[in-house]
Amino acid sequence: AQTVTQSQPEMSVQEAETVTLSCTYDTSESDYYLFWYKQPPSRQMILVIRQEAYKQQNATENRFSVNFQKAAKSFSLKISDSQLGDAAMYFCAYRSGRGAQKLVFGQGTRLTINP
Amino acid sequence: DAGVIQSPRHEVTEMGQEVTLRCKPISGHDYLFWYRQTMMRGLELLIYFNNNVPIDDSGMPEDRFSAKMPNASFSTLKIQPSEPRDSAVYFCASSFGTGGYNQPQHFGDGTRLSIL
Repeated sequence: AQTVTQSQPEMSVQEAETVTLSCTYDTSESDYYLFWYKQPPSRQMILVIRQEAYKQQNATENRFSVNFQKAAKSFSLKISDSQLGDAAMYFCAYRSGRGAQKLVFGQGTRLTINP
Repeated sequence: DAGVIQSPRHEVTEMGQEVTLRCKPISGHDYLFWYRQTMMRGLELLIYFNNNVPIDDSGMPEDRFSAKMPNASFSTLKIQPSEPRDSAVYFCASSFGTGGYNQPQHFGDGTRLSIL
């Protein structure tokens, strides 16, 4: 079974600075998808960014980018120019590329933005 | 476009009562998922449907939990009888995944369930 590990329960960063959240996963599959979801205090689950395992190029969405290292099974999220609205729980998630459509989530990292 | 709609947003009830959570997926989505979020266990999948058919219910904790999807626009998650340990936030999510289109899951706002 696939597992996802987020080793940083909490992180903090100064507003306008850059922060990187770590995620590692374990799988024997070669075809899969990885996601970062954001959960603010309102408890919505908001998709931040996704990466297809077959793509070598790292995904980017405005201030959010990933560092996908397939051999190392690592999928970190970089937030540039941090804003107060980025404060939230961030969850890394894995989904198989074939068959099961379910998401396997990490335990989450709570990100605090210091003004 | 409307997102995934869940109701109620909050539910407080006494132990032993029946609880029904409702979900309306995004129109056109063919997958529907029910997740539960607790401090101890994080986010875990309970069950998911494809084209209204349950595909994987291995995450359903016990027989007290049941889920149905009578049509493409509605699903329920029922707990009977409820117990305090069922207290959690329950999320519904939907996605379009047929024909090789692996789109991400879109989540509803969740139902916070408190069993006293």
